[in-house]
Amino acid sequence: EDQVTQSPEALRLQEGESSSLNCSYTVSGLRGLFWYRQDPGKGPEFLFTLYSAGEEKEKERLKATLTKKESFLHITAPKPEDSATYLCAVTGDSGGSNYKLTFGKGTLLTVNP
Amino acid sequence: DSGVTQTPKHLITATGQRVTLRCSPRSGDLSVYWYQQSLDQGLQFLIQYYNGEERAKGNILERFSAQQFPDLHSELNLSSLELGDSALYFCASSVGARLGTEAFFGQGTRLTVV
Repeated sequence: EDQVTQSPEALRLQEGESSSLNCSYTVSGLRGLFWYRQDPGKGPEFLFTLYSAGEEKEKERLKATLTKKESFLHITAPKPEDSATYLCAVTGDSGGSNYKLTFGKGTLLTVNP
Repeated sequence: DSGVTQTPKHLITATGQRVTLRCSPRSGDLSVYWYQQSLDQGLQFLIQYYNGEERAKGNILERFSAQQFPDLHSELNLSSLELGDSALYFCASSVGARLGTEAFFGQGTRLTVV
């Protein structure tokens, strides 16, 4: 069964203080690893899809990287508006795995001004 | 705006009742996924439909059912509601039957069972 573990559960940063969020995963044949941002009471907002180890993608202050066992979401010089829960999810190649996203529980990021 | 529309946004109902949640996928997307999000469980996959056919089931209770109509909108029916069914219910859509590209989520329906 696919598993996703995110750490830390919560992270508090000062504005401008860069950091990274971790997503460790277990999946039989990674088909895609996804990062989403979720604001309170809202639906997850798609950020990135990564497909193979070594791949990197960037969007504004966010950069996602992927290895064979984990993914990192690097946040450079964050602003208060980056405060949200960041969710990692995977989908795999085998059986019922490729019909769904398996999510981690997320990292709650708070950026103080 | 993801292009996925869910109605209603909020629903308050009593235990034992039945409700229907509605989802319209993004234009061109054939797959619809339903997820439940509660504080302690995170996002849990319930069920997937592709072009009108059920393709995969997750941890969906027997009291819950879903369908996808010819116009590709989907409905999630929750019956004999219990207090523990209170949660956010999300719909997501994607182009293909199998996930390989992104899935886009709606804004959710917040269900409160009293």
